[in-house]
Amino acid sequence: DTGVSQDPRHKITKRGQNVTFRCDPISEHNRLYWYRQTLGQGPEFLTYFQNEAQLEKSRLLSDRFSAERPKGSFSTLEIQRTEQGDSAMYLCASSLVVSNTIYFGEGSWLTVV
Amino acid sequence: QQQVKQSPQSLIVQKGGISIINCAYENTAFDYFPWYQQFPGKGPALLIAIRPDVSEKKEGRFTISFNKSAKQFSLHIMDSQPGDSATYFCAASPAGGGNKLTFGTGTQLKVEL
Repeated sequence: DTGVSQDPRHKITKRGQNVTFRCDPISEHNRLYWYRQTLGQGPEFLTYFQNEAQLEKSRLLSDRFSAERPKGSFSTLEIQRTEQGDSAMYLCASSLVVSNTIYFGEGSWLTVV
Repeated sequence: QQQVKQSPQSLIVQKGGISIINCAYENTAFDYFPWYQQFPGKGPALLIAIRPDVSEKKEGRFTISFNKSAKQFSLHIMDSQPGDSATYFCAASPAGGGNKLTFGTGTQLKVEL
């Protein structure tokens, strides 16, 4: 399968712990996006990269959130000092710069207890 | 501020019927309008998309109708099947700006036998 891959698919963590999600985009895609989706809502944009450069961050991305794409390939999203309100599905997506078509991964479910 | 409004929130259609989901937008900078289909526990999958230079696009049983002056667009699913039961999201992105998608709140479609 050469689609967008996310790991882990599910994570349960205690409040205050740090968690990290990994995303492997479609291999030739130079744009990578992170979205967050809560139950009953549409995905909300968090941030995106073009190659290794992080070009935009949403106001939703508080200081506890950090995303990296060090070599322009895979990306990580770290949440520090997790809160119950962080419980959501974190979606990674990728696309080509020359295309509007964005492909999503299966998501990483986070439950903070 | 919700930039893409979607209705209805839920929809029940008989097998073989037509499912219609509507969206309205406010931002005139939007120039790409995709529809995504999402099954429980999965990431959104691109279904069909349209640009404002055409009023209609059809792919198989799925049709997008676009009204630029009214800033509205809709998804029609012809000959609806039980396998179409899923949540559907409309979305929009502006020219430039990294193809950042703004999603509607979703429509939960159930197709009954």
